[in-house]
This record gives sequence, C-alpha cells and structure tokens, in this order.
Amino acid sequence: DIRMTQSPASLSASLGETVNIECLASEDIYSDLAWYQQKPGKSPQLLIYNANSLQNGVPSRFSGSGSGTQYSLKINSLQSEDVATYFCQQYNNYPRTFGGGTKLELK
Amino acid sequence: QIQLVQSGPELKKPGESVKISCKASGYTFTDYAMHWVKQVPGKGLKWMGWINTYTGKPTYADDFKGRFVFSLEASASTANLQISNLKNEDTANVFCARGGTTVAMDWFAYWGQGTLVTVSS
Repeated sequence: DIRMTQSPASLSASLGETVNIECLASEDIYSDLAWYQQKPGKSPQLLIYNANSLQNGVPSRFSGSGSGTQYSLKINSLQSEDVATYFCQQYNNYPRTFGGGTKLELK
Repeated sequence: QIQLVQSGPELKKPGESVKISCKASGYTFTDYAMHWVKQVPGKGLKWMGWINTYTGKPTYADDFKGRFVFSLEASASTANLQISNLKNEDTANVFCARGGTTVAMDWFAYWGQGTLVTVSS
C-alpha cells in the first residue's frame, strides 16, 4: 500500500497569512494526488486534483504543487472560512490512501 | 446539479446487519465509479473500496473483505453498502463518493452527506 504522510498534523495561523501543508508519498504517484477540505460535521470537499488543478468553484488562493513523492497545498491570504481539516489522497494505485490530515486553526 | 444522497443514521447492536444507500442524481450513474469511505468520528479517512457502476464488479480494501458488500440498483441510480455481523469498531461515519470515468481520473469531486452507523449494545 502507498503510505501518505502529511505534515504538520496541526497548524495555527493568522488571518492573511500564507499556509503550506505537505504530503509525502511512500513511492512515486505520478501527480495522481488530490487535496480535500473538511469542516466539522460536513463531507470532504475537493480542492485540487492532478496535484495542481483547481476544482471548479474553489477560490484561487488555494494552489497545489509537487511531483514524484512530494506534494504541497498552499493557501494564500488565509480567511476565517479556511479553518478546517485538510487531507491529501493518492489515486495512482489501489488501495486509494489518504494522509492523516492537517487541522488548521486561527491564531 | 449533481447530488449523492445517503440514507439516515443507524443504531445497531453487535452482530446485527445494516444497509446504507447512496442515491445519485444529476449525471449518468453508470459512467462513474462509486467509492465508499469510512471516518471514525474525529479521525481520518479510510478508503473501503469501490464498485464499477457499469459492470457491477466490487473491489474491497483488505480491511473490508468478508463482512462488507457493495451492490447496485442501477435502475434507481443507487449504490448500497451492507455490513453484516456488526462490531463496535464499525461505529463510524460512512461516505459514498463519486470517482472518475477512468482510474486515471479517480478523484472524488462529489460526496454524500455521510451516514453515521453506531454499534452499541
């Protein structure tokens, strides 16, 4: 199974700040990576697919990058509505696997 | 608009069975895979497996072989998950999520609202 290691596990940032979340795959996943945002009591929502493609309707302050085994999600100019838990997920191989999540809070 | 609507919360005793439904609308049901994802409250996401909505073939993650069955009612654009011989550790929120038209496009753009399964004696 491909192991997805996310860091940090939790993060505290101020409004307007830039935030970076990292995701490390245990083997090359050839950019078959998605990022999701999940708010308490809600279903996950797709932010990014194919490592760097922005899902329709997602604000442009969200961006994804990376290749091979290393990927990152960047949030520019943090807004209060961005407080959530973020997950990465690989779809290069079965079983599909998720990172452990990054809980983002406001400082 | 595209929607996945799941059946309501379930409270079951150990050893009982439960069936969760996921009704799709707004797209051609058989064009996209349907996946199932488990989330223990306050914890991360775990992929349970998927079903090919065109052929009906299910694929299960290793931890979900034996007591878990994916099925379809394609005429009703509905995917089902049945869990038998429930255990306390099955207590979780279970989501259906629409996959891709091909394995290369298998991100989850649409999710059901989740079905909370509680197993308690």
